[in-house]
Amino acid sequence: GAGVSQTPSNKVTEKGKYVELRCDPISGHTALYWYRQSLGQGPEFLIYFQGTGAADDSGLPNDRFFAVRPEGSVSTLKIQRTERGDSAVYLCASSPQGRGATEAFFGQGTRLTVV
Amino acid sequence: KQEVTQIPAALSVPEGENLVLNCSFTDSAIYNLQWFRQDPGKGLTSLLLIQSSQREQTSGRLNASLDKSSGRSTLYIAASQPGDSATYLCAVTSAGYSTLTFGKGTMLLVSP
Repeated sequence: GAGVSQTPSNKVTEKGKYVELRCDPISGHTALYWYRQSLGQGPEFLIYFQGTGAADDSGLPNDRFFAVRPEGSVSTLKIQRTERGDSAVYLCASSPQGRGATEAFFGQGTRLTVV
Repeated sequence: KQEVTQIPAALSVPEGENLVLNCSFTDSAIYNLQWFRQDPGKGLTSLLLIQSSQREQTSGRLNASLDKSSGRSTLYIAASQPGDSATYLCAVTSAGYSTLTFGKGTMLLVSP
């Protein structure tokens, strides 16, 4: 596609449920990033993939959060036993390569609401 | 740990004014600095990317400068328009890392 695509755009779930958020990066981009943005804050880094492997997952807040990118393209962010504090906008970005040399392109985000 | 601060947090100006948004970062060892625009309920749109070796970048009415040694960047918007109303975010990629550290943003309102 022309840009980074994230689905769903909105997700409402009950506390304790499991959710999956999908990111489809720009074709050919090897680097993929997940960020989380709370209201009134800037995005905060969660995890970075270079190809299929997680090159840096230091931003994941706890073991309820997990992400995969099995074929080096589409990525899924998985949240188990959701809590109300997980409510935020989850942003995905991709870039042609990692190591900070190139521009990052963001998707429209998934707004997650845990009730 | 890199920290990014944006001042002011909010800014309201009449249409036609030139304005400056400020960004500062604590660790000057960076690969690059990027300015983004975010409309309400939307994702981020990249405006300008300045590599660490560059001093400024221009795109249309936007000009971004970078003073790496002092840890500062400014985004200059000329002849502001109501359509410029949005939140502007500054982010840096620190040397040795591949991820962005963001400021909290400046919320800009340009009134007709």
